[in-house]
Amino acid sequence: EIVLTQSPATLSLSPGERATLSCGASQSVSSSYLAWYQQKPGLAPRLLIYDASSRATGIPDRFSGSGSGTDFTLTISRLEPEDFAVYYCQQYGSSPGTFGQGTKVEIK
Amino acid sequence: QVQLQESGPGLVKPSQTLSLTCTVSGGSISSGSYYWSWIRQPAGKGLEWIGRIYTSGSTNYNPSLKSRVTISVDTSKNQFSLKLSSVTAADTAVYYCARTYGYIFEWGQGTLVTVSS
Repeated sequence: EIVLTQSPATLSLSPGERATLSCGASQSVSSSYLAWYQQKPGLAPRLLIYDASSRATGIPDRFSGSGSGTDFTLTISRLEPEDFAVYYCQQYGSSPGTFGQGTKVEIK
Repeated sequence: QVQLQESGPGLVKPSQTLSLTCTVSGGSISSGSYYWSWIRQPAGKGLEWIGRIYTSGSTNYNPSLKSRVTISVDTSKNQFSLKLSSVTAADTAVYYCARTYGYIFEWGQGTLVTVSS
């Protein structure tokens, strides 16, 4: 199975700053089938990005995804207070679909 | 807007079978080209994909759980179900049902299942 490694584990930033989250895959992700999710405490994750760079319905354009092959990035251009959360990447190009271990974006 | 709701026992004894049902409302489970999936998350930890079923009945399971997992669908009730046998404390987690293409675009709220005697 494909192992996804997210970095950093924790990102301490202030509102208004830019956040850059990385997701590395142990082997190439087929057809850039990679998604990003946001999870807040006590809630189910929410889809942000699919197919590496397509924003899900209703997701603000400050969220963007990029990358291909084994290296993917989620960028939040300007952090809003509601963006402080845990972010997970997931590959769905190979079965089983696998998730990264998460990056926590916390208020500095 | 399709909604998903998990239901089932919140406490299961070790070695027994965990059984959960996901009820789909706001749309037919048979319509569209979707997979219906189960994902779990131990407290304070990351997400683990358990498996999925297509409305035709075809299934895919995580190899790490495959020997213990069965996912089924009941289109007449607009539900799909998860059975996980021979559970241990390591199976304690929040279990989510979801509607997926490959990515997961709709989630249930999740249900906590604790394995304990």
